[in-house]
Amino acid sequence: GENVEQHPSTLSVQEGDSAVIKCTYSDSASNYFPWYKQELGKRPQLIIDIRSNVGEKKDQRIAVTLNKTAKHFSLHITETQPEDSAVYFCAASMDSSYKLIFGSGTRLLVRP
Amino acid sequence: DTGVSQNPRHKITKRGQNVTFRCDPISEHNRLYWYRQTLGQGPEFLTYFQNEAQLEKSRLLSDRFSAERPKGSFSTLEIQRTEQGDSAMYLCASSLVNTGVDTQYFGPGTRLTVL
Repeated sequence: GENVEQHPSTLSVQEGDSAVIKCTYSDSASNYFPWYKQELGKRPQLIIDIRSNVGEKKDQRIAVTLNKTAKHFSLHITETQPEDSAVYFCAASMDSSYKLIFGSGTRLLVRP
Repeated sequence: DTGVSQNPRHKITKRGQNVTFRCDPISEHNRLYWYRQTLGQGPEFLTYFQNEAQLEKSRLLSDRFSAERPKGSFSTLEIQRTEQGDSAMYLCASSLVNTGVDTQYFGPGTRLTVL
């Protein structure tokens, strides 16, 4: 079955710097890749997603890139702010089974 | 609040007891998912429904777990004869499938503690 690996497990950046989180997936049939942000004690919240027919998607300070050949995708956060501090999860799914397979998470700390 | 809701938010039970959780999806969402999340890990898929039909169950879902969505609206997840290893956050998500996009929105979860 599908397996998603996520790196790094923790990331500490200075406010204003960029943060990059990377994920790889194993099943080439996966075609949908969302990213969720989860603050302590809160529900996972979708922040951006991308489908496999698109190589890059951007929403203000957040962007996601997808490399289907290498089977990896990345989350880029620019001009980080303290409120970006949270755990970020990548996930993958495919049309034959809509379940999300999640990575193990990245704890992002933005230092003021 | 028109988002996904879950009840109860917290449940403490003794080993061997049965527990039931409820999820109310976003109105008119036709898919409903259950996930389990343990501390420091990403959510793990348990099962999902399209309308009232349960279409897939994870191999993680032992026969002590059962889920229903009787009228295609709310869903319940029951755990029988709870074990300490069942302690986790149980998350529900819902989605409206159209044009092939299945964006899942999560509820706040039910945190289960088995003593």
